[in-house]
Amino acid sequence: QAQLQESGPGLVKPSETLSLTCTVSGDSMSTYYWSWIRQPPGKGLEWIGYIYYGGSTNYNPSLKSRVTISVDTSKKQFSLKLTSVTAADTAVYFCAGRGLTAFDLWGRGTLVTVSS
Amino acid sequence: QSALTQPASVSGSPGQSITISCTGTSSDVGGYNYVSWYQQHPGKAPKLMIYDVSRRPSGVSNRFSGSKSGNTASLTISGLQAEDEAVYYCCSFAGSSAFVLFGGGTKLTVL
Repeated sequence: QAQLQESGPGLVKPSETLSLTCTVSGDSMSTYYWSWIRQPPGKGLEWIGYIYYGGSTNYNPSLKSRVTISVDTSKKQFSLKLTSVTAADTAVYFCAGRGLTAFDLWGRGTLVTVSS
Repeated sequence: QSALTQPASVSGSPGQSITISCTGTSSDVGGYNYVSWYQQHPGKAPKLMIYDVSRRPSGVSNRFSGSKSGNTASLTISGLQAEDEAVYYCCSFAGSSAFVLFGGGTKLTVL
């Protein structure tokens, strides 16, 4: 089965853009809807959005104006950009693979702190 | 859109059964048969336990079961074991664009 690994800066300044990449190993990128999910410290899960390998996307309406998810199938990577970040965007960010209807593949998560 | 509603905590003794509820609306839980449940231990990524309301992924114990009635889905864990102590999240598709909603999470304590 595929494995996922998140990478990117652990510290982002307020008003700047958070950028993360997830590298997929061991499976075809056409198998899943590639997703980003975040979890603020001590809080619950929040779905950010997903991209299919062909490029179609779906975003959380509450974040849609600030989020872009892209995919590079040649590198077996997909990426998250979240603009104009504030302290409220501090969270553990997980990349995940959604089969048809559920997230059955998860990365280990990476903590991103928004602070000056 | 609001998160799905779960109780903040439940508890049970080893060997007992517990049920965690997940209440939404006709636009999410009630409108899709795509409710899933995730188990999360501290510092770990969530793990899929139930999908499509009541289906178990390969490798998940048959002590875990799911159901749905109207706008409320439920996760039942029978024969509680110490390793079941974790936070459980429900999840559903929602709205006409099929975005994804999670519940707020329920902390299960095995006494």
